[in-house]
Amino acid sequence: QQQVKQSPQSLIVQKGGISIINCAYENTAFDYFPWYQQFPGKGPALLIAIRPDVSEKKEGRFTISFNKSAKQFSLHIMDSQPGDSATYFCAASITGDDKIIFGKGTRLHILP
Amino acid sequence: EAQVTQNPRYLITVTGKKLTVTCSQNMNHEYMSWYRQDPGLGLRQIYYSMNVEVTDKGDVPEGYKVSRKEKRNFPLILESPSPNQTSLYFCASSLRGKGPQHFGDGTRLSIL
Repeated sequence: QQQVKQSPQSLIVQKGGISIINCAYENTAFDYFPWYQQFPGKGPALLIAIRPDVSEKKEGRFTISFNKSAKQFSLHIMDSQPGDSATYFCAASITGDDKIIFGKGTRLHILP
Repeated sequence: EAQVTQNPRYLITVTGKKLTVTCSQNMNHEYMSWYRQDPGLGLRQIYYSMNVEVTDKGDVPEGYKVSRKEKRNFPLILESPSPNQTSLYFCASSLRGKGPQHFGDGTRLSIL
């Protein structure tokens, strides 16, 4: 029940295309869903986050879509660029619990 | 500049030799946490701390200790390291309720 399932494990997208990474969870108590971006040799960096009271959040080319009834959320990267090539992690946590569960990551490669 | 600083960045050592990985943040964050990253397993939380003298176990705490005597520092201690603790370790800090916001650049530990 504490798992966050992330797919796909790896993804190759042409420059200018849309990259989509999906995550699913079981625990309905989760109320904070961040996404992280990690470049080789660096720590993850918080990219964008959403709470379940909204269905979508957009920041620049990055959008989180949230489906509360399906217990799924996804990251969309519009107009994908080679500089977006990185590993992306979704995560889920419960406010006040301070534990956080990460998905296993998606390695994204954008072809130039 | 907001920073989470980990030391050392790389360490090769032998089974049973106690080691400490230091972590320091300059953002006055209450919340600090440690993660290990392994291929195919993503990021797993080892320990976290909500404030000075307050720590709690994450998902994989066995074989690790932490302490939080000052707000800015959160060292990770391996009292008797074993080869299965060979991994890439990250420290992170944040405001509470936001999940980890700032990660260090990682410490790669190899236990022979």
